[in-house]
Amino acid sequence: GESVGLHLPTLSVQEGDNSIINCAYSNSASDYFIWYKQESGKGPQFIIDIRSNMDKRQGQRVTVLLNKTVKHLSLQIAATQPGDSAVYFCAEKDNAGNMLTFGGGTRLMVKP
Amino acid sequence: DTGVSQDPRHKITKRGQNVTFRCDPISEHNRLYWYRQTLGQGPEFLTYFQNEAQLEKSRLLSDRFSAERPKGSFSTLEIQRTEQGDSAMYLCASSSRNMNTEAFFGQGTRLTVV
Repeated sequence: GESVGLHLPTLSVQEGDNSIINCAYSNSASDYFIWYKQESGKGPQFIIDIRSNMDKRQGQRVTVLLNKTVKHLSLQIAATQPGDSAVYFCAEKDNAGNMLTFGGGTRLMVKP
Repeated sequence: DTGVSQDPRHKITKRGQNVTFRCDPISEHNRLYWYRQTLGQGPEFLTYFQNEAQLEKSRLLSDRFSAERPKGSFSTLEIQRTEQGDSAMYLCASSSRNMNTEAFFGQGTRLTVV
C-alpha cells in the first residue's frame, strides 16, 4: 500500500550547523504534508506544514521543501540547537483529508 | 493549557483486563483522531470522529478495540481483554473541520500489559 518513509534513521549534527531531514512519500494523490517533532515520552508536536500547491514554506528557523516530481519532502533546521534533539516525522494527509500517514521517523542528535 | 489532554498518562494492566483511555480535544476542534505508536515507529492511525460520528473505524486493530465520542467533545478508547502486544503509546489528536489543517496531538497514554 501507499506509505511515507524516511531515508535516514539517525542524523547527528554539530550545534549551530544546519540540519536537513529527508522524507520520501509514495502517494502521489496526497496534497498536504506535515512535519512533527517528538521528544521522548511526549506526543508529536506540529512544526510546519505545506500544501501540494507550494514548493517551499518557511517558519522560524525551519523550512520545508516539497518536490512533487520525485515525491520528496525535506525539513531544514537552521542553526540547530540542543533543544532540537528529537525524532522527526513527516506525515501526509490523504486527499480526503481524513487521516495522517506517518513514516518511521528520523532521530536528530545535536552535539554540543 | 488548552491543548489536547489525555488521561491517564501511564497505565499498567494485567493481561486479560479491560482498559479505557480518555481524550479531551481542543475545544473548538470537531475532528478527533486516535493513533497507536510502538517504540521506534511512527503513529499508526486507528480511528477518527467528526463531532460524535465515527467516520472511520476499519483501521482499529481488532474487535477488542472500540472508541466513542458520545457528545462530540471528549472521546474514550477501550481495549478489552488486553494482550501483551497491545503495549504501546496511544495518542489522541484533534483538528478543525477544514480539510488541510494541522492536527494537534496530546501527550499520549503509555499502556503496558504485563
